[in-house]
Amino acid sequence: DAKTTQPNSMESNEEEPVHLPCNHSTISGTDYIHWYRQLPSQGPEYVIHGLTSNVNNRMASLAIAEDRKSSTLILHRATLRDAAVYYCILRPYGQNFVFGPGTRLSVLP
Amino acid sequence: DVKVTQSSRYLVKRTGEKVFLECVQDMDHENMFWYRQDPGLGLRLIYFSYDVKMKEKGDIPEGYSVSREKKERFSLILESASTNQTSMYLCASSPTSQGLETQYFGPGTRLLVL
Repeated sequence: DAKTTQPNSMESNEEEPVHLPCNHSTISGTDYIHWYRQLPSQGPEYVIHGLTSNVNNRMASLAIAEDRKSSTLILHRATLRDAAVYYCILRPYGQNFVFGPGTRLSVLP
Repeated sequence: DVKVTQSSRYLVKRTGEKVFLECVQDMDHENMFWYRQDPGLGLRLIYFSYDVKMKEKGDIPEGYSVSREKKERFSLILESASTNQTSMYLCASSPTSQGLETQYFGPGTRLLVL
């Protein structure tokens, strides 16, 4: 399975943008980049995914490097409710997910 | 909103007991999954199912079995619970129409085996 590397933890101040990095230097051409997050005492929830181009949705933006060896999840304005573990996952189309340990994001008021 | 529900949030069982964990989804999704989550190990896939009466082994199926008699329900069975099966168990579903890109998770069942 293709692997991702994320920082164990990050801190952000409320109402400021947050950039969560993910390295995936062994990515292959068919691997999609997915981000999920897990709020305390809940199951993971989908955030965003992409293949080659940057993606935006109501929750976040995904910036993918030109060589696809890294990506960044951008929360434009962090709120206290965004405190969670964020998982960056590589997945070939149609195959199963492999969740790593993720990045624990703390949001300070 | 998609809803995935799990029968219990917390469960305490004794070693050797047979344990049933139930998962129900209300969005007519074809695909359903069982994961376990342990500190430092992330989520690991136990079993999944692409259709009624179909099942496929995930990465760690040993000690578990599953049942999918109806499309909306996917059960995880611990035939003889052991202490190393103490964990958080998460169920998920996804529609085939989205190419498995989006999985919807339940709240989890925290199982303690004594």
